[in-house]
Amino acid sequence: GENVEQHPSTLSVQEGDSAVIKCTYSDSASNYFPWYKQELGKRPQLIIDIRSNVGEKKDQRIAVTLNKTAKHFSLHITETQPEDSAVYFCAASLRSGAGSYQLTFGKGTKLSVIP
Amino acid sequence: NAGVTQTPKFRILKIGQSMTLQCTQDMNHNYMYWYRQDPGMGLKLIYYSVGAGITDKGEVPNGYNVSRSTTEDFPLRLELAAPSQTSVYFCASSYSQTYEQYFGPGTRLTVT
Repeated sequence: GENVEQHPSTLSVQEGDSAVIKCTYSDSASNYFPWYKQELGKRPQLIIDIRSNVGEKKDQRIAVTLNKTAKHFSLHITETQPEDSAVYFCAASLRSGAGSYQLTFGKGTKLSVIP
Repeated sequence: NAGVTQTPKFRILKIGQSMTLQCTQDMNHNYMYWYRQDPGMGLKLIYYSVGAGITDKGEVPNGYNVSRSTTEDFPLRLELAAPSQTSVYFCASSYSQTYEQYFGPGTRLTVT
């Protein structure tokens, strides 16, 4: 099955600095890579996603890059703000033996933005 | 639209008891999922459904059962609860399996 490794597990940055979270996946057939943000006690919510036919995607202060050869993808947050503090999860979608797709999640990165 | 709703929000079970976690979505999504989230861990897929009448196992299905009689509802059944099932359970739905998954608010379950 798919295995997703996420680093670092915790990250502290000063407000205004950039934050980078990295994930690696094991199966080269994975084709969809979403990132979810989970605030304390809340549900996960999608912040950005990328598909295997695209190398980079940007949405305001958030960007995701994908390197299919190396099997890793990264989340970049620029000009961080205190409200960016949360746990961020990466995931990879892989087609299962039954012909459907399943998401495998990383263990999460707790981002703290220090005012 | 209410999106994805789950009941109950919290529950304490004794070892060996059974219960059903309810999940309903009003977005007419064919795809629905159940995940569990343990402290410091990511989400692990328990079961999923690609449409009414069709369910399949995920990564951690042991101790759970599901059914999907309608597009809207996807209940998760715990039989003979064990302490290892103490977790936060999230239901989710999506238009397609490689599109955004919308999560419910979660159910915090404690088995003692």
